[in-house]
Amino acid sequence: SQQGEEDPQALSIQEGENATMNCSYKTSINNLQWYRQNSGRGLVHLILIRSNEREKHSGRLRVTLDTSKKSSSLLITASRAADTASYFCATEDRGSTLGRLYFGRGTQLTVWP
Amino acid sequence: NAGVTQTPKFQVLKTGQSMTLQCAQDMNHEYMSWYRQDPGMGLRLIHYSVGAGITDQGEVPNGYNVSRSTTEDFPLRLLSAAPSQTSVYFCASSPPRGGYTFGSGTRLTVV
Repeated sequence: SQQGEEDPQALSIQEGENATMNCSYKTSINNLQWYRQNSGRGLVHLILIRSNEREKHSGRLRVTLDTSKKSSSLLITASRAADTASYFCATEDRGSTLGRLYFGRGTQLTVWP
Repeated sequence: NAGVTQTPKFQVLKTGQSMTLQCAQDMNHEYMSWYRQDPGMGLRLIHYSVGAGITDQGEVPNGYNVSRSTTEDFPLRLLSAAPSQTSVYFCASSPPRGGYTFGSGTRLTVV
């Protein structure tokens, strides 16, 4: 069964606006990762946040992690049309066999010029 | 540095046929995984490996076999293809506790 659950399933915004996507998960984790997938392509790793971290930044991306609520958020600031893609969160469970990464169903982000 | 290379990119099989999806990485990553992606289902883990000679099952392993004889290669075998295995297959690799690098995918249709 999938671990992460993204919300919303779809998000449509104008260029220049901020986009926020949320991820909830069920068990204790070692880390949580966010990926982007453009239509018809493979996934691209965006950012990894470890269970003892609360916030990470990478360019226009900001990820937060709240382990008490078992949730994470991905903020894309000043969105561009090129940010249009599906975004997935993925978790590596704590205590489970290493190498198992579980993905959610994703958020489809559309950024209109 | 090619990253993760998957072949073929497209494949059509008849029910009952067998085939091997190839995956190779040149980053000396220990971890490798196979996922399938179906519409509205996200990615589901089929099999994974944490090093040469070590493999284990993921969420949906039935109908698939893997082996990991070298660090670089992680082929996925479909033993007897079924229409339910129509999907897009992704191979990925990572260092331990790191982010994954994905291949560009194999689109498989079983008729």
